[in-house]
Amino acid sequence: EVQLVQSGAEVRKPGESLKISCKASGYIFSTYWIAWVRQTPVKGLEYMGIIYPDDSDTRYSPSFQGQVTFSVDKSINTAYLQWSSLRASDTAIYYCARRSVAPEYFDSWGQGTLVTVSS
Amino acid sequence: DIQMTQSPSTLSASVGDRVTITCRASQSINRWLAWYQQKPGKAPKALIYKASTLESGVPSRFSGSGSGTEFTLTISSLQPDDFATYYCQQYDSYPDTFGQGSKLEIK
Repeated sequence: EVQLVQSGAEVRKPGESLKISCKASGYIFSTYWIAWVRQTPVKGLEYMGIIYPDDSDTRYSPSFQGQVTFSVDKSINTAYLQWSSLRASDTAIYYCARRSVAPEYFDSWGQGTLVTVSS
Repeated sequence: DIQMTQSPSTLSASVGDRVTITCRASQSINRWLAWYQQKPGKAPKALIYKASTLESGVPSRFSGSGSGTEFTLTISSLQPDDFATYYCQQYDSYPDTFGQGSKLEIK
């Protein structure tokens, strides 16, 4: 069974850094793209970008380019999303999702990580 | 970016009703459209991909149709478990974009 298990909720202050994780199991991690999706009450679901674990090929949505960094650790089947300097506007639920191979929809999702940024 | 517009934003219906949700794309996306169901506090779950292909394990009362710029999700006979929010997503052009969601409420 494909599973994506995300790290727990986080509370940070503006300007702080953060790295959240998404651990995959039940399939060959390196051969499927992993996407990150942000959800807020105002903007709904927003595609942040995607990373290919095998070679760390990364593509950021223009709206998120320069704001976040994706990475992976293939040895532990884990993808990461990180911020170097959080803003209050980063408060949201963040999901990782596996991209199916042809057609390229998101066939499995993590349970989500709530990130709260508040002074 | 391709804009995806869903209607209605909210829909009230009863168990046993047939309901249809529409998703319109700002330009042609061929059939590269997926539908997801999301319940409160849970992650989205794929229902349909390539506009009309049912994800494994999804009940047959769900169906999708359309191509180009107009798509529909139909639930033939609403069950209690179906009350949720539904999102469409295009994956034809980078970046992927989602509709704003359609919340299905109990009448």
